[in-house]
Amino acid sequence: AQSVTQLGSHVSVSEGALVLLRCNYSSSVPPYLFWYVQYPNQGLQLLLKYTTGATLVKGINGFEAEFKKSETSFHLTKPSAHMSDAAEYFCAVGAGGTSYGKLTFGQGTILTVHP
Amino acid sequence: NAGVTQTPKFQVLKTGQSMTLQCAQDMNHEYMSWYRQDPGMGLRLIHYSVGAGITDQGEVPNGYNVSRSTTEDFPLRLLSAAPSQTSVYFCASSFRTGVYGYTFGSGTRLTVV
Repeated sequence: AQSVTQLGSHVSVSEGALVLLRCNYSSSVPPYLFWYVQYPNQGLQLLLKYTTGATLVKGINGFEAEFKKSETSFHLTKPSAHMSDAAEYFCAVGAGGTSYGKLTFGQGTILTVHP
Repeated sequence: NAGVTQTPKFQVLKTGQSMTLQCAQDMNHEYMSWYRQDPGMGLRLIHYSVGAGITDQGEVPNGYNVSRSTTEDFPLRLLSAAPSQTSVYFCASSFRTGVYGYTFGSGTRLTVV
């Protein structure tokens, strides 16, 4: 069984400030972890993913995330927020093998960026 | 390359009506799935398919039906629409192993009155 908890349904930052969106997961097998972004009235776009290997993962638009197995976390960060980062962000967990790529999503975090 | 195409983009149904949401992908993905998105609840899996002729239930399957006769298409049928099915529906596809993540369609916004 898999589950995802995103801490904070709303996060507000000033333009230029650090963005930190928190995600904790549970999985009975080694997980695949994903962050997706959704802009208003659009579908979800893959930001970055962790499957195996390096635990610090870099994605698009300057975002990165670190897989910490001991903390079962996969927090998303960006050093300097931009107005265009305002969107809803979803963390998701999946597993390989016979799960056939089935993903479980967190509840989402809405990021607001103030001028 | 069109990716994942969903139709229609918007739909209003009356309670008790039936309809089919269409989903097609041109990436030769084995895995396809349907999610519904409701405020504060993230995305919840309705049904999924690991290949043509193979489907299975997700977290919230009641009131929905699927079939997969080809690799490309994965339609979602609402058998008798209810107001609780008002939601945004997303179709997604991926390669079988899932390591690349999903490609999502742009969604269908459904309102049941």
